[in-house]
Amino acid sequence: EVQLVESGGGLVQPGRSLRLSCAASGFTFDDYAMHWVRQAPGKGLEWVSGISWNRDNIDYADSVKGRFTISRDNAKNSLYLEMSSLRVEDTALYYCAKDMGGGGIAPSLDHWGQGTRVTVSS
Amino acid sequence: DIQMTQSPSSLSASIGDRVSITCRASQSISSYLNWYQQKPGNAPKLLIYAASSLQSGVPSRFSGSESGTEFTLTISGLRPEDFAVYYCQQSYSTPWTFGQGTKVEIK
Repeated sequence: EVQLVESGGGLVQPGRSLRLSCAASGFTFDDYAMHWVRQAPGKGLEWVSGISWNRDNIDYADSVKGRFTISRDNAKNSLYLEMSSLRVEDTALYYCAKDMGGGGIAPSLDHWGQGTRVTVSS
Repeated sequence: DIQMTQSPSSLSASIGDRVSITCRASQSISSYLNWYQQKPGNAPKLLIYAASSLQSGVPSRFSGSESGTEFTLTISGLRPEDFAVYYCQQSYSTPWTFGQGTKVEIK
């Protein structure tokens, strides 16, 4: 059974940093691209970032480009999101999601974690 | 960026109804369109990928179709567990964008 478990969320002041983690199990992690998708309270879904199986293809939403860094450790079956210069508008539930493919191109997200909540507030 | 516009934003329907939700892309995206279902307090669930391919384990009452830049999710015979918010997502070009969601409520 595919499992994705996010951690690392919390309350942080504007301008500070936070690192999210996603522990994956139940599938061959290094065969698939992975993504972060967020959902602000009461709002819709927003794709944040994605990384291919071999890290060759990495993309970001314009809203986080230059502030967030996605990475993965295939030996640890883990996905990460390093978030810096956090803003109030980054407040959201952050989901880790598995891609059906490996390249991170044309993603269909077939498994999702339950999310980790990030609140940016002074 | 490619804009995805869903309609309606919400709808009320009864058990057994046939329900259709439309998603329009701001430009051609071929068949690179996915549909997700999200129930309150839960993560989204992939229903349909590549516009009309049913994800494994998803009931056959869900179907997807396309016509140009307009895509439709149809639920044939609404069941109580189908009341949720539905999102489309284009996978044609980055940034991968979602529609704003359609809430399906009980009439």
